[in-house]
Amino acid sequence: GENVEQHPSTLSVQEGDSAVIKCTYSDSASNYFPWYKQELGKRPQLIIDIRSNVGEKKDQRIAVTLNKTAKHFSLHITETQPEDSAVYFCAASRTNNNDMRFGAGTRLTVKP
Amino acid sequence: KAGVTQTPRYLIKTRGQQVTLSCSPISGHRSVSWYQQTPGQGLQFLFEYFSETQRNKGNFPGRFSGRQFSNSRSEMNVSTLELGDSALYLCASSLRGSLNTEAFFGQGTRLTVV
Repeated sequence: GENVEQHPSTLSVQEGDSAVIKCTYSDSASNYFPWYKQELGKRPQLIIDIRSNVGEKKDQRIAVTLNKTAKHFSLHITETQPEDSAVYFCAASRTNNNDMRFGAGTRLTVKP
Repeated sequence: KAGVTQTPRYLIKTRGQQVTLSCSPISGHRSVSWYQQTPGQGLQFLFEYFSETQRNKGNFPGRFSGRQFSNSRSEMNVSTLELGDSALYLCASSLRGSLNTEAFFGQGTRLTVV
């Protein structure tokens, strides 16, 4: 089955700096890559996703890049704010298959 | 539109007992997935149901089972509970089985085994 690895496990940045979280996956048939944000005591919520037919997607301060050849994808957060502090999870799955596998998570702390 | 609802929110059980957790998906969603979340382990995939059929299964022992009803509501059962089963159990629903769509998570059921 799919195996997703995520790095780093913790990340601390100063407010206004950028944060980058990287994930690799093992199943070359995976073609859907969502990112979820989980604030303390709350449920994970989708912040951005990308499908394999595009290499990059951006939504305001958040962007995701995908390299299918290398089987890795990354989350980029620019101009970080304290409210960005949370645990971020990457995931991968195939079309027609909701067997979505998650990375272990990255705890992001943005210091004011 | 109501979100994904999980009941109960908290549960304390004794080792050896069994437990049943419930998940009501967003209206119209037919796919329900279950995850176990523990500190340091992230979200571990348990299984996924679509139209009352288990389509996918993670690497958990047979003590973990589930089912889905015709109204898409799903239950998860854990038998012969062990201390290591203490975790937050999350379910997520999504609209349809083909072409991945956003998965919406419930608030989870926090299970403590003593």
